[in-house]
Amino acid sequence: GAVVSQHPSRVICKSGTSVKIECRSLDFQATTMFWYRQFPKQSLMLMATSNEGSKATYEQGVEKDKFLINHASLTLSTLTVTSAHPEDSSFYICSANTATSGSTDTQYFGPGTRLTVL
Amino acid sequence: AQSVTQLDSQVPVFEEAPVELRCNYSSSVSVYLFWYVQYPNQGLQLLLKYLSGSTLVKGINGFEAEFNKSQTSFHLRKPSVHISDTAEYFCAVSVGPNEKLTFGTGTRLTIIP
Repeated sequence: GAVVSQHPSRVICKSGTSVKIECRSLDFQATTMFWYRQFPKQSLMLMATSNEGSKATYEQGVEKDKFLINHASLTLSTLTVTSAHPEDSSFYICSANTATSGSTDTQYFGPGTRLTVL
Repeated sequence: AQSVTQLDSQVPVFEEAPVELRCNYSSSVSVYLFWYVQYPNQGLQLLLKYLSGSTLVKGINGFEAEFNKSQTSFHLRKPSVHISDTAEYFCAVSVGPNEKLTFGTGTRLTIIP
């Protein structure tokens, strides 16, 4: 089946530093990738939709200059949390869509990255 | 806009007993419906999905769900649960391929030995 990986799985950083999280589709091409954020014991909140070769679409309330998304290829999307602060500590999960025009779709999720900002 | 309601935040069930996790949705257009499971500190795994056709959908790990358009529901069921089913379960909707998922708040299923 389709596999999505994330790296790193866990990161601890100091306040003010930037952190990059990678999301890769290992055995399929993903035209669309999604980035979610999950606070403890809460649901997933969509942050942005990333399409290969174009700018990401951010959800309302998500700062695009703080959460930089790059989708440079059909198998890789990156999320960079710039100038991270303790309130950015969260579980970040990406998903990749295998849909092609006219086909049914499924989003496959990565294992998540736990970010802790000290 | 779409929304998903999972009324039960926690559901304790004895091992080998049946379980139903409730999900209701709201949308002005047709939707695709999904159930995902999340084990501690892990990402989400798809249990099952309804796109069209038969309203009874069978998924992995013995789970099934039934789409009820008139009641705008997509409840998840399993006839006999196991300890390994302990996890968080999320119901989600989307309006089509390549569209974002809107999640419910999740239901924590706890299996009592």
